[in-house]
Amino acid sequence: DAKTTQPPSMDCAEGRAANLPCNHSTISGNEYVYWYRQIHSQGPQYIIHGLKNNETNEMASLIITEDRKSSTLILPHATLRDTAVYYCIVRAILNAGGTSYGKLTFGQGTILTVHP
Amino acid sequence: NAGVMQNPRHLVRRRGQEARLRCSPMKGHSHVYWYRQLPEEGLKFMVYLQKENIIDESGMPKERFSAEFPKEGPSILRIQQVVRGDSAAYFCASSYFGRDSNQPQHFGDGTRLSIL
Repeated sequence: DAKTTQPPSMDCAEGRAANLPCNHSTISGNEYVYWYRQIHSQGPQYIIHGLKNNETNEMASLIITEDRKSSTLILPHATLRDTAVYYCIVRAILNAGGTSYGKLTFGQGTILTVHP
Repeated sequence: NAGVMQNPRHLVRRRGQEARLRCSPMKGHSHVYWYRQLPEEGLKFMVYLQKENIIDESGMPKERFSAEFPKEGPSILRIQQVVRGDSAAYFCASSYFGRDSNQPQHFGDGTRLSIL
């Protein structure tokens, strides 16, 4: 699995954009970048994923560099409820039992603290 | 539009007892993954199942642990003769089965297992 590197912690003011970086220099051509977050005592929450094009949904935007070696998750208007651990994951595509699937390898993530 | 449902949310067992953790995937999802999060650590993949089949159990301890996903009913993670080191949060995730192997996994809120 391609490894990812994230800063251990970041701060953001409420209402401002939170930009969370991730390095994945060993990513393979068919591997997607996924972002999840985990709020204390809850299960990981899926945010967004992408291959090479920038992606946007109702929660966030994902910017992937042209060489795909790094990406940035953008929360456009952070709120206090966005305080969580954010995980950047490069998901390996595996084949077994006649099907393709992927298992997630979670690192330490970035602890994002949004303050008033 | 229920998400992934896990029960119980909290489970206390004495050493040597059996623990059964249940997971009902999201409607329409036929892939189930189990992950374990030890205290102060990241989530680690345990096993991946499709209906009635174990596809990948490379992350599951060879002894005392088993998993199933029957044709009818929830997926079950079973831990026999529990030991203190089994104390952890166990998360289940499900995804939609389709040609696109990059369907995101959606997580439940986990079962917190405590061994006395």
